This record gives sequence, structure tokens and C-alpha cells, in this order.
Amino acid sequence: DAGVTQSPTHLIKTRGQQVTLRCSPKSGHDTVSWYQQALGQGPQFIFQYYEEEERQRGNFPDRFSGHQFPNYSSELNVNALLLGDSALYLCASSKGAGQFTDTQYFGPGTRLTVL
Amino acid sequence: AQKITQTQPGMFVQEKEAVTLDCTYDTSDPSYGLFWYKQPSSGEMIFLIYQGSYDQQNATEGRYSLNFQKARKSANLVISASQLGDSAMYFCAMRPNQGGKLIFGQGTELSVKP
Repeated sequence: DAGVTQSPTHLIKTRGQQVTLRCSPKSGHDTVSWYQQALGQGPQFIFQYYEEEERQRGNFPDRFSGHQFPNYSSELNVNALLLGDSALYLCASSKGAGQFTDTQYFGPGTRLTVL
Repeated sequence: AQKITQTQPGMFVQEKEAVTLDCTYDTSDPSYGLFWYKQPSSGEMIFLIYQGSYDQQNATEGRYSLNFQKARKSANLVISASQLGDSAMYFCAMRPNQGGKLIFGQGTELSVKP
């Protein structure tokens, strides 16, 4: 049973550039959530996708956008990168539209460094 | 405001001993879920245990148990018989009734000594 996968593992970009991160959910899951984890902090919720729509969004600027494909995989796009966007980006998958009982399973993360 | 507080930045425990990691939460929702995750230095968040707000009994999963005290709004994780491989960051998280996001605490770094 394949777990959540993310690509790439590591990424180095310069300020002002754009980046795309990818996530494939765990088998049988249809919901994907994205989190940003700065060094020494807990993860912060960016947004969640279900049925190819953004269902909920955290307190992140419009530079952060996403997409979900018919096969449930998802992309996170960040435009006009800032130094402060350097972080570990975690993708989590779950089944269903977001009941409090649903467990989210995380991927290994993409470590983004902005120079 | 909905919030998770973990007051122990770091903890040490001797191998084979039990350890309790503290977590308190703040929410006005009548229904919510509480989760604990383990994050080794590799970065992946590993799900450990879940407790629903209406669950009457404390959740247990192998060596992990959750000491849920609803009136005190606490959800402490107890790890029995600590192993060297338990050394990691541990995060408490809450999932509100409406919506899918997880709200995380700042984490506790656990170090298991041989």
C-alpha cells in the first residue's frame, strides 16, 4: 500500500522565482492538504483540496495557489518567492470532505530553500 | 481562538521508562479531534494516535496512550517503555468540527537516553 509521496525532496530557488511542488495521496484517499513548516515551528495549514476544489484556506497570501487533478494528486505553486518562504512543505492526504474524525497521513515533505 | 499549547520544548527519558508529553487545547467547538504525530529528523510526520471529543475512553495504540481530560482541555501523550527510536519531535494537533485543517502545537523534542 503506497503512502503519500512528494516531489521533489529538496529544492533551491532564488527570490522572485516561482516553484511547483507535487503530491500523490495515499491509495484510497481523495483529499489533499498542504502545510508549511518553518524551522523550529509546528506546521501551518495552507489549504485543502477535495473534488478538485479548494475547500478551506489558511492565512497565506494569494502567491500560494494549488490544484487537484482527477486522480486526486495535487500541486502547490508559490509565485514571487520570498526568503521567508524557505520551509519544509508537507502534503497530507485523507478520505472524505473533512470530518474531525478523519486522520491525515503525511508525506516526507519538500524542503524549499530560497536564496 | 483555537489553539494548541505544548509547554515542554524538550524532554529527556531513560530507555524503558514511561514518559508523558503535555498538550492543552482551546476551542469552543463541541466536536473536535485530537491527534499526536511523531516527526523524526527526516521530516516526515508519522501519525500515532487519535482521540475524538465524544470518546468516553482514552485512546491506546500499542505503547502509546492518550490521557484525555475534557474538562481540563488536555490531551497528554503517554509513551510506555521508551525506546531509542522514540527520539524525535512530537506534535499535538487538533481538528475542528468544521473544515479539514489541523492546528498544531509548537512540538516537544523527546530524547531517549540509553
